[in-house]
Amino acid sequence: DQQVKQNSPSLSVQEGRISILNCDYTNSMFDYFLWYKKYPAEGPTFLISISSIKDKNEDGRFTVFLNKSAKHLSLHIVPSQPGDSAVYFCAAAGISGTYKYIFGTGTRLKVLA
Amino acid sequence: IAGITQAPTSQILAAGRRMTLRCTQDMRHNAMYWYRQDLGLGLRLIHYSNTAGTTGKGEVPDGYSVSRANTDDFPLTLASAVPSQTSVYFCASRVSSGSYNEQFFGPGTRLTVL
Repeated sequence: DQQVKQNSPSLSVQEGRISILNCDYTNSMFDYFLWYKKYPAEGPTFLISISSIKDKNEDGRFTVFLNKSAKHLSLHIVPSQPGDSAVYFCAAAGISGTYKYIFGTGTRLKVLA
Repeated sequence: IAGITQAPTSQILAAGRRMTLRCTQDMRHNAMYWYRQDLGLGLRLIHYSNTAGTTGKGEVPDGYSVSRANTDDFPLTLASAVPSQTSVYFCASRVSSGSYNEQFFGPGTRLTVL
C-alpha cells in the first residue's frame, strides 16, 4: 500500500513557465517532507524540505507548499529551466519516531526550450 | 573524497547466488538506508539503520539482510537472489538520527538477476 503517491508520472512545461509537481500522502503521522531530484544514472539529490509546522518553504526558484488537512504537498519551480528536466521524488518521514523516509513513485519533468 | 560510495557499479548474477552490495560513507552520518528503484514504483525502502549496531525493516525487506557493525559501512546481502530482485539499489545516509534532515545518496548499483 503506497503511503506516498505522485499521481502524475510525467509533466512537460515550457521554459520560463511554472512547473507544479504534486504529492499526496495517506499517513497523518508524517511530519517532515522532502523533494529530491534525480538525473539518469545518478543518485537522487536533495532539493528542499518542509516541516509539518509550516505551510510553505522557499529556496530560490523552488517553493514547497504543504496542506496538512488535504495530506498534500506540491513543489513549484519558477521559472523552469531546461536543466530542471529530471525525475522528482517526494518523500515523507515521521512515523512513530522510526526515522523511516518513504518515497513516492516519482514524476518525470521535461522542460522544453 | 567525501560522500557515499557503492560497489559494484553493476552486476549480473545467476539466480540462487549470494550477493553483497557494499555501501561506505565518510561523513560520519549516524543513519543509513537501502532503497531499490523500479519503474513505476519509485524508491522503496528495504532496510535502515538509525545508528551503528541497530537496524530496522523498511517497506520491502524480504529476501534482504543488512548489518551495521560500524558507522561507515552498511552492506546489503541477498542470501539467494531471485529475478524479482533485479533493480537499481541506492544507499543513503543522514547526519542525525535524532532529528529530521536530508539524506545523501550514493550513485547506485544496477543488479540483474537471471
